[in-house]
Amino acid sequence: KAGVTQTPRYLIKTRGQQVTLSCSPISGHRSVSWYQQTPGQGLQFLFEYFSETQRNKGNFPGRFSGRQFSNSRSEMNVSTLELGDSALYLCASSGDRVSLTEAFFGQGTRLTVV
Amino acid sequence: GEDVEQSLFLSVREGDSSVINCTYTDSSSTYLYWYKQEPGAGLQLLTYIFSNMDMKQDQRLTVLLNKKDKHLSLRIADTQTGDSAIYFCAERHSGNTPLVFGKGTRLSVIA
Repeated sequence: KAGVTQTPRYLIKTRGQQVTLSCSPISGHRSVSWYQQTPGQGLQFLFEYFSETQRNKGNFPGRFSGRQFSNSRSEMNVSTLELGDSALYLCASSGDRVSLTEAFFGQGTRLTVV
Repeated sequence: GEDVEQSLFLSVREGDSSVINCTYTDSSSTYLYWYKQEPGAGLQLLTYIFSNMDMKQDQRLTVLLNKKDKHLSLRIADTQTGDSAIYFCAERHSGNTPLVFGKGTRLSVIA
């Protein structure tokens, strides 16, 4: 069974640009959550999508948005990038028939804003 | 709000047991997790425990939960150099709510 796949692994963007990150969950999983990891703030929850609907949202500005497609793949978008958006962005998938409690993470996308 | 606290560093000798501790504030936490992160990698789910359990053992890993004190620990028996990583404790209220993470404990294993 393939794991959670995030693309791309690395990105370098300039301030003011926008970026789209992609996450393909484990087959059969319907929930995709996104987290931002920085040395200072640790792991912070961005949002969660379940069956194409945003189910939970963290405390991030509106520049951060996401969506989920009918095949459960999810994208997150960050517009008007700031230097402080440099981070490792992790996505987690969960919610198959066996367990709703286990959350499995991808390798992450490392975004650097210059 | 919810908060999860962990000590930042732990150093042990190869072959010894490691004990990583975590405290949380949300008394309604239902699920508690331990994740491992190696350099440049994502988070690997090691184990999790339901709040109605006191202990869970999985090979070299033992999780102890003291719900009264809101204290969770992860014991790694016979610690190996490959166990060197950052270990995150996390809690969630239900299967429909986000994970809340601690800042992580960096485990260094000395050969």
